[in-house]
Amino acid sequence: AQSVTQPDARVTVSEGASLQLRCKYSYFGTPYLFWYVQYPRQGLQLLLKYYPGDPVVQGVNGFEAEFSKSNSSFHLRKASVHWSDWAVYFCAVSMGSNYQLIWGSGTKLIIKP
Amino acid sequence: DAGVTQTPRHEVAEKGQTIILKCEPVSGHNDLFWYRQTKIQGLELLSYFRSKSLMEDGGAFKDRFKAEMLNSSFSTLKIQPTEPKDSAVYLCASSSGGALEQYFGPGTRLTVL
Repeated sequence: AQSVTQPDARVTVSEGASLQLRCKYSYFGTPYLFWYVQYPRQGLQLLLKYYPGDPVVQGVNGFEAEFSKSNSSFHLRKASVHWSDWAVYFCAVSMGSNYQLIWGSGTKLIIKP
Repeated sequence: DAGVTQTPRHEVAEKGQTIILKCEPVSGHNDLFWYRQTKIQGLELLSYFRSKSLMEDGGAFKDRFKAEMLNSSFSTLKIQPTEPKDSAVYLCASSSGGALEQYFGPGTRLTVL
């Protein structure tokens, strides 16, 4: 069965430092992968998406993610975090347009001043 | 274009009451999702409609939860009767046919006393 694992429930990073949030998926096929962000008291917003092709995808606000088939991973990165990045980040996977998104449990990003 | 709209933003109910949450999807989207979000369980799919047809009714949520799409631009989620364990944020999302990414509303925070 498909699954998504975000192994870190919480990550703390200093403002201006680089960031990596981890996402591992389990699926025996070609996955479609997503990162969403949820700011306090808001719904989820799409950060970036991976459709089969270039393994590195760019998103909004300087975020990028890299798909690795060999590692079954889709980690999210940012070169320099800002306090406004304080939020919960969700990774999700889908098998295709007739299938739903399978969600990870989320990683809370905390920014230290 | 307007995004996904959800009303009310907050709801307080007494145990045993019936409550109805409302959602208007993005105009032109024909897939609509209802999710429940809690800290313990994360995101749980309650219902999924495609072109107003119910595709997924959320299994464990069937007995007291009922989602309907009254027309292509309006959906409701009824919880009857409410229980304290239903306290959560209820998120509505929509997507266009064939696309995988979902667009979320701001959610309704339900508190059941």
